[in-house]
Amino acid sequence: GNSVTQMEGPVTLSEEAFLTINCTYTATGYPSLFWYVQYPGEGLQLLLKATKADDKGSNKGFEATYRKETTSFHLEKGSVQVSDSAVYFCALGRETGNQFYFGTGTSLTVIP
Amino acid sequence: DVKVTQSSRYLVKRTGEKVFLECVQDMDHENMFWYRQDPGLGLRLIYFSYDVKMKEKGDIPEGYSVSREKKERFSLILESASTNQTSMYLCASSLPTGKRGQPQHFGDGTRLSIL
Repeated sequence: GNSVTQMEGPVTLSEEAFLTINCTYTATGYPSLFWYVQYPGEGLQLLLKATKADDKGSNKGFEATYRKETTSFHLEKGSVQVSDSAVYFCALGRETGNQFYFGTGTSLTVIP
Repeated sequence: DVKVTQSSRYLVKRTGEKVFLECVQDMDHENMFWYRQDPGLGLRLIYFSYDVKMKEKGDIPEGYSVSREKKERFSLILESASTNQTSMYLCASSLPTGKRGQPQHFGDGTRLSIL
């Protein structure tokens, strides 16, 4: 079947630290992969995406590379800011069908 | 930009009431979705719709129904609200998955409390 596993939080980092949030997936075929961010009291916003193997998605200093050999899509940022404090969701969209599959979310807190 | 609007940010209802949550999108998307979000459980799909008057059950449809009479509007109905339906409800829309890499676009959520 299809599923997404992401690292459990919460994660607490100091400002300017390096961030990695791990995400691995199980899927048939060639899914598209996404990272979403949810700020307190809001819905999910698309952060970045990748649609095929070795694609790198990037946005606002965040990056993630679609690794088919390791079935992973880890989120990274070189220097986090307090404003990056949020919950991050990894998601998989199937080639066919209309459903997405979401990880359980990783809460990030960045302290000054 | 795509806009998905949920009718209420916060809602308080009583046990046994019939509750309607409304969602409207302005981008002519075929697909619409209802999720609930609970701490430690992530997002769980309740129902989705891929066309007007069409609906499919998600992972946790029990106690819920949906209505899609117009393409832009997707309603979630709690037939007889119970306290275990207290949650954050998120609506989303998207183009068909056949258009590769199409994301889901989310509303701001409705925080529903059942007393």
